[in-house]
Amino acid sequence: GENVEQHPSTLSVQEGDSAVIKCTYSDSASNYFPWYKQELGKRPQLIIDIRSNVGEKKDQRIAVTLNKTAKHFSLHITETQPEDSAVYFCAASSNSGYALNFGKGTSLLVTP
Amino acid sequence: GAGVSQTPSNKVTEKGKYVELRCDPISGHTALYWYRQSLGQGPEFLIYFQGTGAADDSGLPNDRFFAVRPEGSVSTLKIQRTERGDSAVYLCASSPFAGTSAGELFFGEGSRLTVL
Repeated sequence: GENVEQHPSTLSVQEGDSAVIKCTYSDSASNYFPWYKQELGKRPQLIIDIRSNVGEKKDQRIAVTLNKTAKHFSLHITETQPEDSAVYFCAASSNSGYALNFGKGTSLLVTP
Repeated sequence: GAGVSQTPSNKVTEKGKYVELRCDPISGHTALYWYRQSLGQGPEFLIYFQGTGAADDSGLPNDRFFAVRPEGSVSTLKIQRTERGDSAVYLCASSPFAGTSAGELFFGEGSRLTVL
């Protein structure tokens, strides 16, 4: 199936700094790329998504960029806060258009 | 209810036993997904229902796994002859989006299965 690679696996930043998480995918048919945040012991929740006809999308401190030619997309969090600490998963839609294929996750720690 | 509900939240069973995991999606959501999440990994797709039918079951690892959604709402994931490798958190998600337009998935809290 679709292979989604995510880096880094862990990321530690100081409060107020920016954090960047990168993902690559293999299926050129993928057209939907969401990012989910999962706090410890909680359910994954969507924080932002982007479709293939858009190169960048912002929502307050969070932005996602997509390079379809290179098949990679990134999550950018600015002015990080301790409550941003969580595991972040990128995902790409499968060639069936139904399933999402997830990366292995990035554990982000924001220290005060 | 307000969100996706999954029961049981925790299930401990012995190798070889049969288990059922239940998912009650958000009312009105026609799309329902089962994912499996092992420790330190991302959710792994198992099966997708659109209404009562399984539109994509390509993620089911083998024929010990089966899922149903007889009335297009509640779904049950069934695992026969459980193995220790089946231990994971089984996540259910629902979505108001149908067809090929993938959209936001609303996840439940998951059912943690431990096979001893």
